[in-house]
Amino acid sequence: DAGVIQSPRHEVTEMGQEVTLRCKPISGHDYLFWYRQTMMRGLELLIYFNNNVPIDDSGMPEDRFSAKMPNASFSTLKIQPSEPRDSAVYFCASSLGTGTSYEQYFGPGTRLTVT
Amino acid sequence: GEDVEQSLFLSVREGDSSVINCTYTDSSSTYLYWYKQEPGAGLQLLTYIFSNMDMKQDQRLTVLLNKKDKHLSLRIADTQTGDSAIYFCAESGLTGGGNKLTFGTGTQLKVEL
Repeated sequence: DAGVIQSPRHEVTEMGQEVTLRCKPISGHDYLFWYRQTMMRGLELLIYFNNNVPIDDSGMPEDRFSAKMPNASFSTLKIQPSEPRDSAVYFCASSLGTGTSYEQYFGPGTRLTVT
Repeated sequence: GEDVEQSLFLSVREGDSSVINCTYTDSSSTYLYWYKQEPGAGLQLLTYIFSNMDMKQDQRLTVLLNKKDKHLSLRIADTQTGDSAIYFCAESGLTGGGNKLTFGTGTQLKVEL
């Protein structure tokens, strides 16, 4: 399997622009997670899905952030409008879910820089 | 809520053993994990242990779990420069049916020649 795929790997944008990050989970995995990593706050869980349905979005910082999972093989995280404080590395992870040992597999991340 | 704590830095000499420690608060944790993050990369699962086990060994890695004290450790034998990375401890509790993991802050391991 190719693992979790994220695109783009790097994104540089100007404040106020819309940013869309993409994720393809491992085939067959029914849980998908979006994390944000910064030096100041470490690794934060933003939102996670089970069978394409958002289960917990309590980590989404504010209304500027939204996430969708239209099908089992694709998810997006959108920031509109973007702000410099959104600069971070965004990770997507997937897992097989209940009945397993719950381990999550991470993508390589998208490094977002908002100027 | 659940909390997972780790020390921030550890420095060892090549060939020595490294021990990275982690404490957690959730007594309902079912699985505990160690992840490795190399510069510019995502988190890579190294190993995990079920909460009813005390120890798990996998080649150079030894995981010890003290459930009474809620203490988890990762020992790396014969540490190499390639082991330099950030190591994250994580636990799986009841939240989200076990699927939502709580991660520690990460321990940066530096291996010196």
